[in-house]
Amino acid sequence: DAKTTQPNSMESNEEEPVHLPCNHSTISGTDYIHWYRQLPSQGPEYVIHGLTSNVNNRMASLAIAEDRKSSTLILHRATLRDAAVYYCILRRYGGSQGNLIFGKGTKLSVKP
Amino acid sequence: SAVISQKPSRDICQRGTSLTIQCQVDSQVTMMFWYRQQPGQSLTLIATANQGSEATYESGFVIDKFPISRPNLTFSTLTVSNMSPEDSSIYLCSVEKGMNTEAFFGQGTRLTVV
Repeated sequence: DAKTTQPNSMESNEEEPVHLPCNHSTISGTDYIHWYRQLPSQGPEYVIHGLTSNVNNRMASLAIAEDRKSSTLILHRATLRDAAVYYCILRRYGGSQGNLIFGKGTKLSVKP
Repeated sequence: SAVISQKPSRDICQRGTSLTIQCQVDSQVTMMFWYRQQPGQSLTLIATANQGSEATYESGFVIDKFPISRPNLTFSTLTVSNMSPEDSSIYLCSVEKGMNTEAFFGQGTRLTVV
């Protein structure tokens, strides 16, 4: 699996936007970019995914660089409940190559 | 969506014993997986639970230590055998309704081996 690089931790203030970066310079053309997050004492939950175009859903937005070597997860207004570890994962669809392989992720702290 | 029930939610076990963890899903799913999360660490995939056939294990995990069953499309078990303190972790069940679709995770089983 292609690897991703994320900052170990980030801080944000409540009600402000948060931009979580992810570098994936060895991404292949068939790799989708997935984001999951893990709140304290819970299993991970799906946030968003995309291939080439930017994506929006009720939880977040995903901005993908034109060369696809990096992406940014955007939380438009951080709340205390958004404090979690955020994982950026590349999935190559098809068989075991598509398994979710978690890296270390970014621990997001949100200050009131 | 999929709602996953894992049992037990936590347990404290003696070294040398075995523990079987159950994962029950509220609907039929294509894929079921088992993960381990050691204290302060990220998740590590143990294996893919295949319905009606032997599980597919990731490098570093073997069937003798982590036997897995999946008798149908809504249920799977993971056994942690001959436990040692190094097996103290959170074990999580994950499911996907289709190949490489959104994954849903259980709340996990927190295992402490003493």
